[in-house]
Amino acid sequence: GQQLNQSPQSMFIQEGEDVSMNCTSSSIFNTWLWYKQEPGEGPVLLIALYKAGELTSNGRLTAQFGITRKDSFLNISASIPSDVGIYFCAGPPAGNNRKLIWGLGTSLAVNP
Amino acid sequence: KAGVTQTPRYLIKTRGQQVTLSCSPISGHRSVSWYQQTPGQGLQFLFEYFSETQRNKGNFPGRFSGRQFSNSRSEMNVSTLELGDSALYLCASSKTVTGELFFGEGSRLTVL
Repeated sequence: GQQLNQSPQSMFIQEGEDVSMNCTSSSIFNTWLWYKQEPGEGPVLLIALYKAGELTSNGRLTAQFGITRKDSFLNISASIPSDVGIYFCAGPPAGNNRKLIWGLGTSLAVNP
Repeated sequence: KAGVTQTPRYLIKTRGQQVTLSCSPISGHRSVSWYQQTPGQGLQFLFEYFSETQRNKGNFPGRFSGRQFSNSRSEMNVSTLELGDSALYLCASSKTVTGELFFGEGSRLTVL
């Protein structure tokens, strides 16, 4: 099926470092969603973006909806051990708000 | 507030068998979506139900089916299981068809 290109695939960082990850698509999206999945759990919505150029924060997390509407970025500042998990971008293709398409995820490991 | 409940959490089947997975949405949520998650393909949309009606369907063969009951609980069924059906099956509920998705912990199916 169709997928979003998410990078990097994995990251191993020191506690306190900042993290950046991105998601790109060959087609335009009207909504970008960022989820986090921890082991044994389902994905949890972190941030939702609805407008090109939009910059939204949720605590130490900041996400941006790219101007071209074909990409999005997620930044985590001052990482802590509980940030460990897999971060997914997702979005509904134009015209269908429920059939979310997902990236393959960025696996984040934080060394205390 | 109880979250999305999926049963069983783990199950092992053999090729050719069939399986039924159950999802109880958050109280008051009427929309239920199902996703298949595998390491190689990520999360793939299976189908969505709202008020007992299938509203959207992903690109899966007819062996994958689902239904929703009047109390919003949903089941999905996979018949004639194949090795490639081994995956984590995630259910998500939302209040409306455009609302935020809340995921359950998933049912991990292994096909031998």
